[in-house]
Amino acid sequence: NAGVTQTPKFQVLKTGQSMTLQCAQDMNHNSMYWYRQDPGMGLRLIYYSASEGTTDKGEVPNGYNVSRLNKREFSLRLESAAPSQTSVYFCASSGGLAGDDTQYFGPGTRLTVL
Amino acid sequence: ILNVEQSPQSLHVQEGDSTNFTCSFPSSNFYALHWYRWETAKSPEALFVMTLNGDEKKKGRISATLNTKEGYSYLYIKGSQPEDSATYLCALNAGNNRKLIWGLGTSLAVNP
Repeated sequence: NAGVTQTPKFQVLKTGQSMTLQCAQDMNHNSMYWYRQDPGMGLRLIYYSASEGTTDKGEVPNGYNVSRLNKREFSLRLESAAPSQTSVYFCASSGGLAGDDTQYFGPGTRLTVL
Repeated sequence: ILNVEQSPQSLHVQEGDSTNFTCSFPSSNFYALHWYRWETAKSPEALFVMTLNGDEKKKGRISATLNTKEGYSYLYIKGSQPEDSATYLCALNAGNNRKLIWGLGTSLAVNP
Protein backbone atom coordinates (compact mmCIF):
# COMPACT_ATOMS: atom_id res chain seq x y z
CA ASN A 1 0.00 0.00 0.00
CA ALA A 2 1.95 3.00 -1.31
CA GLY A 3 -0.63 5.67 -0.46
CA VAL A 4 -0.20 8.71 -2.71
CA THR A 5 2.67 8.67 -5.18
CA GLN A 6 3.95 11.50 -7.36
CA THR A 7 6.35 11.65 -10.26
CA PRO A 8 8.78 13.16 -10.88
CA LYS A 9 10.34 14.20 -7.55
CA PHE A 10 12.40 16.97 -9.11
CA GLN A 11 12.16 18.79 -12.42
CA VAL A 12 13.88 21.75 -14.02
CA LEU A 13 12.17 23.43 -16.97
CA LYS A 14 12.93 26.36 -19.19
CA THR A 15 10.36 29.11 -19.58
CA GLY A 16 7.77 28.06 -22.15
CA GLN A 17 8.32 24.32 -21.83
CA SER A 18 5.43 22.07 -20.90
CA MET A 19 5.23 19.13 -18.55
CA THR A 20 2.78 16.93 -16.71
CA LEU A 21 3.02 16.02 -13.05
CA GLN A 22 1.61 12.61 -12.29
CA CYS A 23 -0.23 11.54 -9.16
CA ALA A 24 -1.74 8.21 -8.21
CA GLN A 25 -3.38 6.85 -5.07
CA ASP A 26 -4.15 3.28 -4.12
CA MET A 27 -6.56 3.97 -1.25
CA ASN A 28 -9.71 3.90 -3.39
CA HIS A 29 -10.31 7.56 -2.56
CA ASN A 30 -12.93 9.58 -4.38
CA SER A 31 -11.39 13.03 -4.10
CA MET A 32 -7.99 14.25 -5.24
CA TYR A 33 -6.23 17.61 -5.03
CA TRP A 34 -3.25 19.54 -6.36
CA TYR A 35 -1.56 22.12 -4.13
CA ARG A 36 1.44 24.34 -4.47
CA GLN A 37 3.58 25.44 -1.56
CA ASP A 38 5.73 28.55 -1.70
CA PRO A 39 7.93 30.10 1.00
CA GLY A 40 5.96 32.38 3.31
CA MET A 41 2.63 31.20 1.92
CA GLY A 42 0.32 28.46 3.03
CA LEU A 43 -0.64 25.52 0.91
CA ARG A 44 -2.70 26.85 -1.99
CA LEU A 45 -5.18 24.69 -3.86
CA ILE A 46 -4.71 24.68 -7.64
CA TYR A 47 -7.40 22.23 -8.74
CA TYR A 48 -9.35 19.44 -7.20
CA SER A 49 -11.47 16.52 -8.31
CA ALA A 50 -14.39 15.61 -6.09
CA SER A 51 -14.89 12.32 -7.89
CA GLU A 52 -13.87 10.50 -11.03
CA GLY A 53 -14.91 12.50 -14.06
CA THR A 54 -15.12 15.89 -12.33
CA THR A 55 -12.59 18.65 -11.82
CA ASP A 56 -12.91 22.12 -10.30
CA LYS A 57 -10.72 25.17 -9.94
CA GLY A 58 -9.15 25.98 -6.65
CA GLU A 59 -7.54 29.18 -5.45
CA VAL A 60 -4.75 29.51 -8.04
CA PRO A 61 -5.71 27.65 -11.26
CA ASN A 62 -4.25 30.01 -13.85
CA GLY A 63 -1.53 28.43 -15.97
CA TYR A 64 -2.52 24.86 -15.09
CA ASN A 65 -4.78 22.15 -16.41
CA VAL A 66 -5.75 18.86 -14.81
CA SER A 67 -7.07 15.49 -15.86
CA ARG A 68 -8.76 12.94 -13.63
CA LEU A 69 -7.78 9.97 -15.76
CA ASN A 70 -9.57 7.42 -13.59
CA LYS A 71 -10.29 6.98 -9.92
CA ARG A 72 -6.62 6.41 -9.12
CA GLU A 73 -4.87 9.06 -11.17
CA PHE A 74 -4.98 12.85 -11.25
CA SER A 75 -2.45 14.72 -13.38
CA LEU A 76 -1.44 18.38 -13.43
CA ARG A 77 -0.20 19.95 -16.65
CA LEU A 78 1.76 23.12 -17.18
CA GLU A 79 1.30 24.07 -20.82
CA SER A 80 3.86 26.89 -20.93
CA ALA A 81 5.90 27.05 -17.77
CA ALA A 82 6.75 30.42 -16.23
CA PRO A 83 9.26 31.27 -13.48
CA SER A 84 6.30 32.12 -11.22
CA GLN A 85 5.40 28.44 -11.28
CA THR A 86 8.60 27.49 -9.51
CA SER A 87 7.25 25.77 -6.44
CA VAL A 88 6.78 22.51 -4.61
CA TYR A 89 3.67 20.71 -5.82
CA PHE A 90 1.75 18.30 -3.61
CA CYS A 91 -0.97 15.91 -4.62
CA ALA A 92 -3.44 14.72 -1.99
CA SER A 93 -6.47 12.48 -1.79
CA SER A 94 -9.35 11.96 0.60
CA GLY A 95 -11.85 9.18 0.94
CA GLY A 96 -15.35 10.36 1.49
CA LEU A 97 -17.54 13.26 0.60
CA ALA A 98 -17.55 15.11 3.91
CA GLY A 99 -15.50 18.17 4.77
CA ASP A 100 -14.01 16.43 7.79
CA ASP A 101 -12.28 13.81 5.68
CA THR A 102 -8.53 13.59 6.17
CA GLN A 103 -6.36 14.42 3.19
CA TYR A 104 -3.38 12.20 2.53
CA PHE A 105 -0.42 13.79 0.78
CA GLY A 106 2.13 12.56 -1.70
CA PRO A 107 5.86 13.27 -1.29
CA GLY A 108 5.83 16.36 -3.51
CA THR A 109 7.46 17.47 -6.76
CA ARG A 110 10.01 20.24 -6.61
CA LEU A 111 9.77 22.22 -9.85
CA THR A 112 12.15 24.94 -10.94
CA VAL A 113 11.38 27.06 -14.01
CA LEU A 114 14.34 29.00 -15.35
CA ILE B 1 -11.99 36.07 2.27
CA LEU B 2 -11.63 33.59 5.11
CA ASN B 3 -8.34 33.63 6.96
CA VAL B 4 -6.75 31.07 9.25
CA GLU B 5 -4.02 32.41 11.52
CA GLN B 6 -1.50 30.47 13.51
CA SER B 7 0.70 31.70 16.32
CA PRO B 8 3.46 31.81 17.10
CA GLN B 9 5.13 31.64 13.71
CA SER B 10 8.06 29.73 15.22
CA LEU B 11 9.05 28.30 18.55
CA HIS B 12 12.27 26.95 20.02
CA VAL B 13 12.01 24.79 23.14
CA GLN B 14 14.25 22.48 25.10
CA GLU B 15 13.73 18.74 25.19
CA GLY B 16 11.22 17.95 27.92
CA ASP B 17 9.41 21.28 27.74
CA SER B 18 5.70 21.30 27.14
CA THR B 19 4.40 23.73 24.58
CA ASN B 20 1.27 24.87 22.82
CA PHE B 21 0.26 26.79 19.73
CA THR B 22 -2.89 28.48 18.52
CA CYS B 23 -4.98 28.29 15.39
CA SER B 24 -7.57 31.06 14.96
CA PHE B 25 -10.41 31.09 12.47
CA PRO B 26 -13.69 32.95 11.85
CA SER B 27 -16.18 31.47 14.31
CA SER B 28 -19.07 32.16 11.94
CA ASN B 29 -17.61 29.87 9.27
CA PHE B 30 -16.90 26.45 10.64
CA TYR B 31 -17.41 22.88 9.55
CA ALA B 32 -14.22 21.12 10.59
CA LEU B 33 -10.67 21.90 11.70
CA HIS B 34 -7.71 19.78 10.68
CA TRP B 35 -4.27 19.63 12.29
CA TYR B 36 -1.29 18.35 10.31
CA ARG B 37 2.34 17.75 11.13
CA TRP B 38 4.89 18.55 8.43
CA GLU B 39 8.48 17.45 8.82
CA THR B 40 11.14 19.03 6.66
CA ALA B 41 11.56 17.28 3.30
CA LYS B 42 8.45 15.18 3.88
CA SER B 43 4.76 15.68 3.19
CA PRO B 44 2.04 16.85 5.61
CA GLU B 45 0.71 14.10 7.84
CA ALA B 46 -2.70 14.27 9.47
CA LEU B 47 -2.90 14.52 13.26
CA PHE B 48 -6.51 15.34 14.09
CA VAL B 49 -9.83 16.32 12.58
CA MET B 50 -12.12 18.18 14.94
CA THR B 51 -15.74 19.04 14.33
CA LEU B 52 -17.54 19.72 17.61
CA ASN B 53 -17.19 22.63 20.00
CA GLY B 54 -15.34 21.40 23.05
CA ASP B 55 -13.72 18.52 21.17
CA GLU B 56 -10.51 17.22 22.66
CA LYS B 57 -8.31 14.80 20.74
CA LYS B 58 -5.13 13.06 21.83
CA LYS B 59 -2.41 11.06 20.11
CA GLY B 60 0.44 10.12 22.40
CA ARG B 61 1.98 13.30 23.80
CA ILE B 62 0.07 15.54 21.39
CA SER B 63 -3.42 16.79 22.10
CA ALA B 64 -5.76 19.42 20.69
CA THR B 65 -8.80 21.32 21.83
CA LEU B 66 -11.43 23.19 19.87
CA ASN B 67 -13.58 26.23 20.64
CA THR B 68 -15.83 26.96 17.69
CA LYS B 69 -17.76 29.74 19.49
CA GLU B 70 -14.67 31.91 19.86
CA GLY B 71 -12.88 30.54 16.80
CA TYR B 72 -9.71 28.89 18.02
CA SER B 73 -7.98 25.57 18.51
CA TYR B 74 -4.96 24.80 20.66
CA LEU B 75 -2.38 22.11 19.96
CA TYR B 76 -0.39 20.92 22.98
CA ILE B 77 2.78 18.88 23.05
CA LYS B 78 3.72 17.45 26.43
CA GLY B 79 7.40 16.74 27.12
CA SER B 80 8.70 17.79 23.69
CA GLN B 81 11.25 15.53 22.03
CA PRO B 82 13.65 16.37 19.17
CA GLU B 83 11.57 14.19 16.85
CA ASP B 84 8.64 16.57 17.44
CA SER B 85 10.53 19.22 15.47
CA ALA B 86 8.28 20.04 12.52
CA THR B 87 5.84 22.60 11.21
CA TYR B 88 2.34 22.18 12.61
CA LEU B 89 -0.41 23.27 10.25
CA CYS B 90 -4.06 23.83 10.87
CA ALA B 91 -6.67 24.00 8.13
CA LEU B 92 -10.29 25.09 8.26
CA ASN B 93 -13.11 23.60 6.30
CA ALA B 94 -15.80 26.27 6.32
CA GLY B 95 -18.41 24.18 4.59
CA ASN B 96 -18.97 20.66 3.46
CA ASN B 97 -17.14 21.20 0.17
CA ARG B 98 -13.72 19.68 0.84
CA LYS B 99 -11.68 22.83 0.18
CA LEU B 100 -9.40 23.44 3.11
CA ILE B 101 -8.13 26.91 4.06
CA TRP B 102 -4.63 26.49 5.40
CA GLY B 103 -2.75 28.47 8.00
CA LEU B 104 0.94 29.25 7.52
CA GLY B 105 1.94 26.93 10.34
CA THR B 106 3.96 27.06 13.53
CA SER B 107 7.53 25.86 13.13
CA LEU B 108 8.70 23.99 16.23
CA ALA B 109 12.35 23.25 16.95
CA VAL B 110 13.12 21.06 19.96
CA ASN B 111 16.71 21.27 21.14
CA PRO B 112 18.21 18.16 22.76
